[in-house]
Amino acid sequence: ELKVEQNPLFLSMQEGKNYTIYCNYSTTSDRLYWYRQDPGKSLESLFVLLSNGAVKQEGRLMASLDTKARLSTLHITAAVHDLSATYFCAVDSGGSNYKLTFGKGTLLTVNP
Amino acid sequence: ETGVTQSPTHLIKTRGQQVTLRCSSQSGHNTVSWYQQALGQGPQFIFQYYREEENGRGNFPPRFSGLQFPNYSSELNVNALELDDSALYLCASNPPRGTQYFGPGTRLLVL
Repeated sequence: ELKVEQNPLFLSMQEGKNYTIYCNYSTTSDRLYWYRQDPGKSLESLFVLLSNGAVKQEGRLMASLDTKARLSTLHITAAVHDLSATYFCAVDSGGSNYKLTFGKGTLLTVNP
Repeated sequence: ETGVTQSPTHLIKTRGQQVTLRCSSQSGHNTVSWYQQALGQGPQFIFQYYREEENGRGNFPPRFSGLQFPNYSSELNVNALELDDSALYLCASNPPRGTQYFGPGTRLLVL
């Protein structure tokens, strides 16, 4: 059974600081997704990582994938309040069929 | 705007009742997946439909069932509701080899 673990589960940051969220998964997969969820809202796709060594960046967020270590990271650079949200990683257990197994999420709070 | 809509947005039911949740996808999105997200948890995969046939199921009992229709709409049916079924239910759809988009969700409360 595929397991996806995120840490930390809670993260309180000051604006301007950097931090990394980690996502470990238990079985071989080369498709990993990062999502953002605001309170009471649906999931917003941030990154799709499709191969070992993939790195993608959008604004202050950068995601990477190491399939050999079964690890993905989401790095936050110079955090701003607008990044406050819950971030989920998800792994596709069904090849390209989007049968996603999600982590428990990281609740990020960015304080002024 | 993802082009995936869900109805209703909120719903209150009592234990033992049955509920039907609906999802409407974009044209060409012949794969639809349903997820259950309990409060404070990540979404859990319920099942997926591809071209109107079930195409994979998560660890959910048979009282969770679904349908997909030729017009790219789909339904999630839950029978004999239990308190633990209270959650946000998300549908997501994608075209062949395309990006998956999530709908806004239906929040179900079972009393």
